[in-house]
Formats: sequence, structure tokens, C-alpha cells
Amino acid sequence: SQELEQSPQSLIVQEGKNLTINCTSSKTLYGLYWYKQKYGEGLIFLMMLQKGGEEKSHEKITAKLDEKKQQSSLHITASQPSHAGIYLCGAESSNNDMRFGAGTRLTVKP
Amino acid sequence: DTAVSQTPKYLVTQMGNDKSIKCEQNLGHDTMYWYKQDSKKFLKIMFSYNNKELIINETVPNRFSPKSPDKAHLNLHINSLELGDSAVYFCASSQGFRNIQYFGAGTRLSVL
Repeated sequence: SQELEQSPQSLIVQEGKNLTINCTSSKTLYGLYWYKQKYGEGLIFLMMLQKGGEEKSHEKITAKLDEKKQQSSLHITASQPSHAGIYLCGAESSNNDMRFGAGTRLTVKP
Repeated sequence: DTAVSQTPKYLVTQMGNDKSIKCEQNLGHDTMYWYKQDSKKFLKIMFSYNNKELIINETVPNRFSPKSPDKAHLNLHINSLELGDSAVYFCASSQGFRNIQYFGAGTRLSVL
């Protein structure tokens, strides 16, 4: 099965600082998804990456998929308290289901 | 309007009871899912379902069963609830497999 490892498990940054969250797979990724979850809420879709070397940005969040399609990074520039939450990477497996990493809990201190 | 809605948001029940969680999506998607998120926040797929195929995660006990009256609904029935069933259950939908999934807000189930 597709196993995803996320790092770090938790992250505390000062407002305005940049940060990076990583997601690594032991197998080639068919599709890599980034979601954000706030406490007591569902997952909010952020970005989807499918091609090796692909990079996407939305506001201050950039996600990249490496050429080998086994690692993805999520980078937040000039973090704000609104960025706080749990970030999850998800990947499609060969039998069509989605597997998720354990998540990275981000805290942004004002 | 909420795209994927689940009811109830909270469910507290006694061990041994049978309960259902409802899920509805108004996105016109043909594929729906149920996930379980445990106390450690691990999110695991339970079922994937469209009108052609039901994929069941092999670790899901057969006390759990999905029921889909139509494409817009996928309800989760749980028989003989156990303490270990306490978790947050999320419904999601997508247009076909291998596409962006949209999640409901979750149902927090507590089994006493």
C-alpha cells in the first residue's frame, strides 16, 4: 500500500516567517494532494500535483512535486495566524483510494 | 450552500447500539467516500463508492456498511457499536476516482 510520511509532525513559527512541510512516498505518486484541516472542520482542498517537477501556487502557499514523483513540499511564505491548522498530504493508490499522511500541525504565533 | 453535508455533527451513543450517519453532496459527483479519523488524527479510507464499484478497506469491520439510495447520498450504518468506534467520520465526494475530493465537516462519534 501507499505509505506517506510527513515531516515535521508539528511546527511552531513566528508570524511572518517562511516554512516548509514535506511529504515523502516510498512509491511513485499517481497524484499528490494537499489539504488543510482546522479543528472541528473537514478537510479543505489546497492543491493537486500530478506531473514530475510540477509546481503550483495559491496566494502565499506553493506546492512542488519532485521529478521522480516521490516527494512533495508545501511552502508557506510570510506565515499568518490564518495559516494555522493541520496540513495533510494525500496520494492516490493503485486501487483508486486515497491514502493520507499523518499530518503536520502548524501553529503561527502572532 | 454546503457542498458536502453530514448529519449529525455530533453523535453520542451507548455500546451495542446501531446508528447511521448521513451524507449528501450537491456537487453532482458520482463517487463518494467515508473516512475515519482516530484520536491520533490519522485519516483512513473506509469505503469508496460509485454506481459501478464499491471498494472496501479490508480493515473495516463488517459492522460498518455503506448504503447509497442515489448518487447524491452515501450513508454509513454501524451495527453493534464498540468503544473503539469512537472517532470522527468524514464523508467526501469527487467526480470519478483519481480526482479532487471535497470533504464534509465530519461527524464526531462517541461510544460510551
